[in-house]
Amino acid sequence: DGGITQSPKYLFRKEGQNVTLSCEQNLNHDAMYWYRQDPGQGLRLIYYSQIVNDFQKGDIAEGYSVSREKKESFPLTVTSAQKNPTAFYLCASTLNGNTIYFGEGSWLTVV
Amino acid sequence: GENVEQHPSTLSVQEGDSAVIKCTYSDSASNYFPWYKQELGKRPQLIIDIRSNVGEKKDQRIAVTLNKTAKHFSLHITETQPEDSAVYFCAASNNPRDMRFGAGTRLTVKP
Repeated sequence: DGGITQSPKYLFRKEGQNVTLSCEQNLNHDAMYWYRQDPGQGLRLIYYSQIVNDFQKGDIAEGYSVSREKKESFPLTVTSAQKNPTAFYLCASTLNGNTIYFGEGSWLTVV
Repeated sequence: GENVEQHPSTLSVQEGDSAVIKCTYSDSASNYFPWYKQELGKRPQLIIDIRSNVGEKKDQRIAVTLNKTAKHFSLHITETQPEDSAVYFCAASNNPRDMRFGAGTRLTVKP
């Protein structure tokens, strides 16, 4: 619990606008992840990063971008190319092994 | 890649009864099977996990069983309480970046 902070909790995006979701962790975890959750569905992996300055696409990376300039931070940008961005976004991290710890999540809505 | 199916999608039980949620997976290389509980608008929280070298694991009212041959695993909650009401997700992986989640089961415990 705790240690992974996402902001903002709620975000509204206009058509054609890029928005960035922040994710910060103080757990000293190496790997970080971004998931998207749609109502009634499981979590789908957008991007992941195993070390600083390195990240890889997940299953649904189109329309998203990330950076990993610091170990603690893994921001996600939802670009205008993402045509259906309304969803609940979860940031997560792992130290080593398999256990994934999640942040509190961010709700993104298109207006 | 891994594919995880979860059943049922909704489950309603009377307080005090048991609840069972089942998942199947496709990748025989998967060796880690966590279960997460998610309350509305909150982050998924790990409630129990099992690795492929173990057939069953218990933690108070919660237990998970794994059948590697049949590639399925189940969550058992005994003596259910209203606060057990939530969405439960199973997942399977042999590497966090390959973690695949089930679609979730909405459990309702009626007082």
